[in-house]
Amino acid sequence: KNQVEQSPQSLIILEGKNCTLQCNYTVSPFSNLRWYKQDTGRGPVSLTIMTFSENTKSNGRYTATLDADTKQSSLHITASQLSDSASYICVVSARNQAGTALIFGKGTTLSVSS
Amino acid sequence: EAQVTQNPRYLITVTGKKLTVTCSQNMNHEYMSWYRQDPGLGLRQIYYSMNVEVTDKGDVPEGYKVSRKEKRNFPLILESPSPNQTSLYFCASSLFAGAYEQYFGPGTRLTVT
Repeated sequence: KNQVEQSPQSLIILEGKNCTLQCNYTVSPFSNLRWYKQDTGRGPVSLTIMTFSENTKSNGRYTATLDADTKQSSLHITASQLSDSASYICVVSARNQAGTALIFGKGTTLSVSS
Repeated sequence: EAQVTQNPRYLITVTGKKLTVTCSQNMNHEYMSWYRQDPGLGLRQIYYSMNVEVTDKGDVPEGYKVSRKEKRNFPLILESPSPNQTSLYFCASSLFAGAYEQYFGPGTRLTVT
């Protein structure tokens, strides 16, 4: 069964600190992996998209890594800011007969405090 | 401005009263999709559309209908809403299916009493 597991479920850090969020998946056949940031009550916003051949992709202070062999991804946030407080969602895309299917993780809720 | 719009943003209705949530995108995207988001369950795909007149079921299609008569519009129809359809709904679009950035609308919070 295609699944995406994220950890931790929630995380509290101090402003200025770094943090890493984890995503493990059992999705086949793999097409790509995405990280989204979702502020409370708003639609998700794309941070990165990585295909099978990409190991690392950055977007400002956000750096995503992908290990396709172990089926793991991480999102590293550097020098956190209060505005980083949000839910971070890992989404894995699988190829199927109809085209593609998106499998969503349940997200990690990050709280950055001053 | 490139965007996905949804209407209404908030809706309270009663069981059995048919409703439609509209979704429109101005980016000439081929792929559009509807999701619902519930606490503890995350985002779940309801229906998606690869192109005009091409729609397919996602993970939780029961109780919903969609249509794609024009590229820019992808309405979500609840023929007979029930309380278990109370949720936060998001429409999204991308240029094509696959490794293309997906843009989400602002969400529609639906309450069915």
